[in-house]
Amino acid sequence: AQSVTQLDSQVPVFEEAPVELRCNYSSSVSVYLFWYVQYPNQGLQLLLKYLSGSTLVKGINGFEAEFNKSQTSFHLRKPSVHISDTAEYFCAVSEQGGSEKLVFGKGTKLTVNP
Amino acid sequence: SQTIHQWPATLVQPVGSPLSLECTVEGTSNPNLYWYRQAAGRGLQLLFYSVGIGQISSEVPQNLSASRPQDRQFILSSKKLLLSDSGFYLCAWTGGAGRGYTFGSGTRLTVV
Repeated sequence: AQSVTQLDSQVPVFEEAPVELRCNYSSSVSVYLFWYVQYPNQGLQLLLKYLSGSTLVKGINGFEAEFNKSQTSFHLRKPSVHISDTAEYFCAVSEQGGSEKLVFGKGTKLTVNP
Repeated sequence: SQTIHQWPATLVQPVGSPLSLECTVEGTSNPNLYWYRQAAGRGLQLLFYSVGIGQISSEVPQNLSASRPQDRQFILSSKKLLLSDSGFYLCAWTGGAGRGYTFGSGTRLTVV
């Protein structure tokens, strides 16, 4: 069975600063990896996903993530954040060739301050 | 294109009252459907999932039930709500491995 650990529950940063949200996963098989964003009182929106190929994945809103198989990590980064990036971010994993069920991390609350 | 609809957006219900939340998907067939609950300050808890009409799998024992009367309709129900049922309920669908989920906009349920 897979599991996902988001190492930081809250990350405060100043506007225009870079940010990294950390995600580590555990699985005995190859996986697909996802990052979702949730704005207050809304559903989750897919930011980006890694299926195969290039380990650097670019998503919407200027975010990118890098898959590191040896470290079983999929950290999310943005070089310069905006106030509007304030939201909760969820990392998720599913098995390749298995159930489509996603396993989510507990989320990281990103707060961008002026 | 595919869309997912979830309603109502907010709901305030007294303890002991029944519940029915509805989720429908358009533009696809035979989706896998999911109900999640998000309690304040906690992550996403998978409640039920369905791979076809009438097929429901429950992930955790609780006061809730789910049904899938039609291919693209997923209903979350309760006969008698508890205070602990309060939370943000999210419906999601997926059309295949590696595609991830598409989420509805959620229902904020407050049991008083």
